[in-house]
Amino acid sequence: GAGVSQSPRYKVAKRGQDVALRCDPISGHVSLFWYQQALGQGPEFLTYFQNEAQLDKSGLPSDRFFAERPEGSVSTLKIQRTQQEDSAVYLCASSLETLLVNTEAFFGQGTRLTVV
Amino acid sequence: EDKVVQSPLSLVVHEGDTVTLNCSYEVTNFRSLLWYKQEKKAPTFLFMLTSSGIEKKSGRLSSILDKKELFSILNITATQTGDSAVYLCATNTGNQFYFGTGTSLTVIP
Repeated sequence: GAGVSQSPRYKVAKRGQDVALRCDPISGHVSLFWYQQALGQGPEFLTYFQNEAQLDKSGLPSDRFFAERPEGSVSTLKIQRTQQEDSAVYLCASSLETLLVNTEAFFGQGTRLTVV
Repeated sequence: EDKVVQSPLSLVVHEGDTVTLNCSYEVTNFRSLLWYKQEKKAPTFLFMLTSSGIEKKSGRLSSILDKKELFSILNITATQTGDSAVYLCATNTGNQFYFGTGTSLTVIP
């Protein structure tokens, strides 16, 4: 597609519910990132994929968070047993190259998750 | 621990004013510095800076990097209401884009 596409745009989950957020990166982009952005804050890194390999997941806040990119294209961020502190905008970004070269990331519109 | 610090946190100016936004960084593995503009949606890419002293320019926006003093500035001249947004600075550290908290710019007509 022309840009990074995320779905759903908005998600309301009851506390304890599992959610799955989807990201369609720009076609052919090697790198894919997930970020969490709280109100008034900058994006906080969650995880980084190079093709299907998850190279860094150091930003995932707990073992309730899981991300995958099985075929090196579409990615899913799953949050199990959601808590109120998980409420945030989840941004996905992709870049043409790996981070070993100078490259820019292109962001999707984000999924706003509200846990009630 | 890696740090990217932006200042000021927020700024209110009148149309036509010139603004300078600051970004300082301390990261263990610096590859490049990027500026993004974020309105009520996805951050949109503005500039990528890799070399000191070379100004990048796009219309009324310009940016420069100082790798010795570890900072960058983003200038916006003749501001317009459409420039109102959060401006984010990020560094490519080799394993992520590490973001600052952003500067919120409001341009009043």
